[in-house]
Amino acid sequence: GAVVSQHPSRVICKSGTSVKIECRSLDFQATTMFWYRQFPKKSLMLMATSNEGSKATYEQGVEKDKFLINHASLTLSTLTVTSAHPEDSSFYICSASGGQGARGYTFGSGTRLTVV
Amino acid sequence: GQNIDQPTEMTATEGAIVQINCTYQTSGFNGLFWYQQHAGEAPTFLSYNVLDGLEEKGRFSSFLSRSKGYSYLLLKELQMKDSASYLCAVVANDYKLSFGAGTTVTVRA
Repeated sequence: GAVVSQHPSRVICKSGTSVKIECRSLDFQATTMFWYRQFPKKSLMLMATSNEGSKATYEQGVEKDKFLINHASLTLSTLTVTSAHPEDSSFYICSASGGQGARGYTFGSGTRLTVV
Repeated sequence: GQNIDQPTEMTATEGAIVQINCTYQTSGFNGLFWYQQHAGEAPTFLSYNVLDGLEEKGRFSSFLSRSKGYSYLLLKELQMKDSASYLCAVVANDYKLSFGAGTTVTVRA
């Protein structure tokens, strides 16, 4: 149980375009989803937290207008990188939470974004 | 913010034991996770501690002392495939996961 599907796994886009990344909880209801960003050889940095049906809460330094997060249902959250630039190239990972404890944080497989 | 410290790198020989320490200072405590991450992949769950003591799961064990803000991950009978980054993550009062910088473990033959 506790499977989170994230896609696409890899995407290459041109500068100035937008990219949407989807994160789905397949066998549980995710009341909260977290979006992380990871640069090479660095740890995961939390970008934002989204709760179903409400606006996302962004961490300090993360541009909410650039990284649009939508959590329209209990099984789906999306992250849209708008007007992408090469410096947005990174590994983006979602995590879904349906409750507390060990089951509470299940990670998606990650999306490698390359902006050219 | 939350402060989570772990060593940057560790090297060990195949078949040996390695202990990765993690110390934390957080706003409250609701559990500590250890994850394994291979390059280019998402983290995979290894262990979860919320009460003091040792949790053993096969070759991997994790220990927690809440009073000391300390945990360790013990990897026994090291195999080449254990070469990876190991992430310590703490859940604070806000129920967000805060990660340490990760410890890169290199297993040598």
